[in-house]
Amino acid sequence: EVQLVQSGAEVKKPGESLKISCKGSGYSFTSYWIGWVRQMPGKGLEWMGIIYPGDSDTRYSPSFQGQVTISADKSISTAYLQWSSLKASDTAMYYCARLTRAPEPLGYFDYWGQGTLVTVSS
Amino acid sequence: DIQMTQSPSSLSASVGDRVTITCQASQDISNYLNWYQQKPGKAPKLLIYDASNLETGVPSRFSGSGSGTDFTFTISSLQPEDIATYYCQQYDNLPRYTFGQGTKLEIK
Repeated sequence: EVQLVQSGAEVKKPGESLKISCKGSGYSFTSYWIGWVRQMPGKGLEWMGIIYPGDSDTRYSPSFQGQVTISADKSISTAYLQWSSLKASDTAMYYCARLTRAPEPLGYFDYWGQGTLVTVSS
Repeated sequence: DIQMTQSPSSLSASVGDRVTITCQASQDISNYLNWYQQKPGKAPKLLIYDASNLETGVPSRFSGSGSGTDFTFTISSLQPEDIATYYCQQYDNLPRYTFGQGTKLEIK
């Protein structure tokens, strides 16, 4: 069974750093792109970026380029999303999702993690 | 950038009704259009991929159609468990993945 399991909720202060994770199982982790999607409170879905764990090829949405860093450790089948200096506006639910149709970064997100809620408040 | 215009933003319908949601792309995206369902407090779930293909395990009352710039998502007979927000999403080879604004579906 394909599963993406995300790390737990986080409460941080502005300016702090944070790294959240997404662990894949039940499939070949290095053979599918993993994407990150943001959902701010009461709002819609926004694609942030994707990574191919096989070779760490990473593509960012222009809206998030330079704001976050996406990485992966294929030895433990885990993708990461990190911030170096959080802002209150980073408060949101963050989802990881598997992108099908590898190795091309195309297609649809067929499996999703349960989400990680990040709250940034002083 | 490709813009996706989804309508309506909210919709109220009765059990058994036929429900239709539309999504319009700002330029030709061929059939690179997917539909997701998101129930409150849950992750999105893929329903339709490549405009008209039903994901495995999804009830046949859900369907999608369209190509180019105009797409339609239909629930043929609304069920109480279909209460959710629905999103269209386009993709291209840059890559870019743009979601529509969402349609919140409620029972009348």
